[in-house]
Amino acid sequence: GQQLNQSPQSMFIQEGEDVSMNCTSSSIFNTWLWYKQDPGEGPVLLIALYKAGELTSNGRLTAQFGITRKDSFLNISASIPSDVGIYFCAGQLLMKTSYDKVIFGPGTSLSVIP
Amino acid sequence: ETGVTQSPTHLIKTRGQQVTLRCSSQSGHNTVSWYQQALGQGPQFIFQYYREEENGRGNFPPRFSGLQFPNYSSELNVNALELDDSALYLCASSLSTEYQETQYFGPGTRLLVL
Repeated sequence: GQQLNQSPQSMFIQEGEDVSMNCTSSSIFNTWLWYKQDPGEGPVLLIALYKAGELTSNGRLTAQFGITRKDSFLNISASIPSDVGIYFCAGQLLMKTSYDKVIFGPGTSLSVIP
Repeated sequence: ETGVTQSPTHLIKTRGQQVTLRCSSQSGHNTVSWYQQALGQGPQFIFQYYREEENGRGNFPPRFSGLQFPNYSSELNVNALELDDSALYLCASSLSTEYQETQYFGPGTRLLVL
């Protein structure tokens, strides 16, 4: 079945550093989503991407929808302690005639050292 | 906050028992999706309900069933609980249109099966 890979699996960075994480798939998606999940909470949507090549920002976060439609990256600039959490990418194939389940990656765990 | 609520927040059951989890969708949303998230993994799609009908199903056995009500709230029922059913159960609501369906997650119900 469809699977997503995320890299790195985990990262430890100093406060103020920039962060980059990646998501790849063997399948094409027409929507890429990035979520952040804090312990004991549900995932919170950070950025949604709907077009190949699209580059979208949300504050210090920037994400891009890869041209091949099989990958996406998320960058966080000037990290702060509250950026700690698990970041999930998710791919969605929106079809007009059938349901379009969301496939999640395994997550990237981010730790920020003050 | 996403406006998606789930109850209960935590639940402990024993093997063989049955459980019902509840989800109230965000106002204006007509679709509810349920996910199972095991510890250290990304959410796995269970099924989706659109306008009170099951609209797609992931790789879960029939003892996982659901309902959607006229007000678009939803229930997830799991019969004959097994130890491996211990997980965080997430519901996500969305407004299905022809062009996009961004899902917003509730905080989840943590189920422990002993």
